[in-house]
Formats: sequence, C-alpha cells, structure tokens
Amino acid sequence: QVQLQESGPGLVKPSETLSLTCIVSGGPISNHYWTWIRQTPGKGLEWIGHIHYRESTSYNPSLRSRVTISLDTAKNQFSVQLTSVTAADTAVYYCARVGGATRDFAYWGQGTLVTVSS
Amino acid sequence: QIVVTQEPSVTVSPGGTVTLTCASSTGAVTSGNYPNWFHQKPGQAPMPLIFSMTYRHSWTPARFSGSLLGGKAALTLSGVQPEDEAVYYCLLYYGGAWVFGGGTKLTVL
Repeated sequence: QVQLQESGPGLVKPSETLSLTCIVSGGPISNHYWTWIRQTPGKGLEWIGHIHYRESTSYNPSLRSRVTISLDTAKNQFSVQLTSVTAADTAVYYCARVGGATRDFAYWGQGTLVTVSS
Repeated sequence: QIVVTQEPSVTVSPGGTVTLTCASSTGAVTSGNYPNWFHQKPGQAPMPLIFSMTYRHSWTPARFSGSLLGGKAALTLSGVQPEDEAVYYCLLYYGGAWVFGGGTKLTVL
C-alpha cells in the first residue's frame, strides 16, 4: 500500500523559503507524477505543481516564479520549495501521487499546516 | 487564466439523486481533461472518488458515477446517504497543468 507523508516546518517567516518533503513508502518513485497541492484556510484546493519520475516538472503559472519541485529517488521522496512567502501562502500542504497513464490522484498525504508569520 | 466552475452549493434529500457539474472556461470538457472528483469532510484530506471522467477508485461506492453532460464533467450521486454531506471538488487537466474547481458544498437535508 502506497503511503505519503509530508514533513517540514510548521512556521515560516515572511520573505523566507518554505520547504517541505514528502516521504513515499510502499512503492518506488517511478512511472508516476509526484504532486504538491495546497489549501488555504477555509478555501478551496490549489494545484502547485508536479514532477515526473524522469524529472520533468510543471508548475501552476501563478506560482511558477517562486516554486521548485525536486525528486530524490535514492531516498524515495520529493520536495517543494516556495520562496519569498507571505501570509497568503499560509495553507495546508498536501503531497499526492498521480498515475502516469490514468491521471488519477489515488494517494495523498494527510497534509501539513504551514503558517507564514513573524 | 483558466477557471473551473462548480455550483457553490446544492441541497439533496436522503435517498435522492443529485448531479454536480464542472465547467471549463476554455470550452467543453473532454476526456483529455481527465476529470477527477473528490470529496472533503471537515478536518480531513480530500478523498478521491472518480478519475478519468468515469472510473471509480476501488473504495468508491457504486452510488457515485462520473460522466460528461452538456460539455461539462458531471458527478451523479444516486441514493444519497447522510454521510455524503461534504464539499465536492472537480479537477481538470490542461496539457501539463491541473486546475481545481472552487468546490460544491453538498448538504443532505
């Protein structure tokens, strides 16, 4: 059974960089897209971006200038960095696996709240 | 900027049938948008229900079905149960990027 678990600081200061890691267990990072999604308090869901196991990336145009997603196949994990954060980046951040052929979002982490505050 | 539109709120009676829709600002939704549907209850992560427009996950009850309806992706719940009360999100693919709809709050009353 594939499981994903987000980890990282729960508090980030404004203008600094938010960094989160998603540890994947129960299967290798291959043949899929590894995705980050966030949800601001009381609001809807926002796709941040994804990385394919061949390390091609795609990002939400509204975040592209600030976001980087990377893959560490040796550790079976992937990460997201979001630079120059503001209070608007306060959200629950989820990692998810997207099936390469089926484009299904079957597997999600439980989510981690990141608060941007001084 | 692409916008995906869902009904903000819908109310249905227990045992009834309801259809939620998901429209794209770029035009008709197609299978190439790989519509996904999720529901989310308070304090929980989104739960995947449907992928590639019509396919249920192994855990999705048969009362949930996905389709294309009048150029929109659609999610139909037949025989609605009280536990189906949740916010429902659709998600569409646009050649490398994904866009979520704003969500439909489904009330079972």
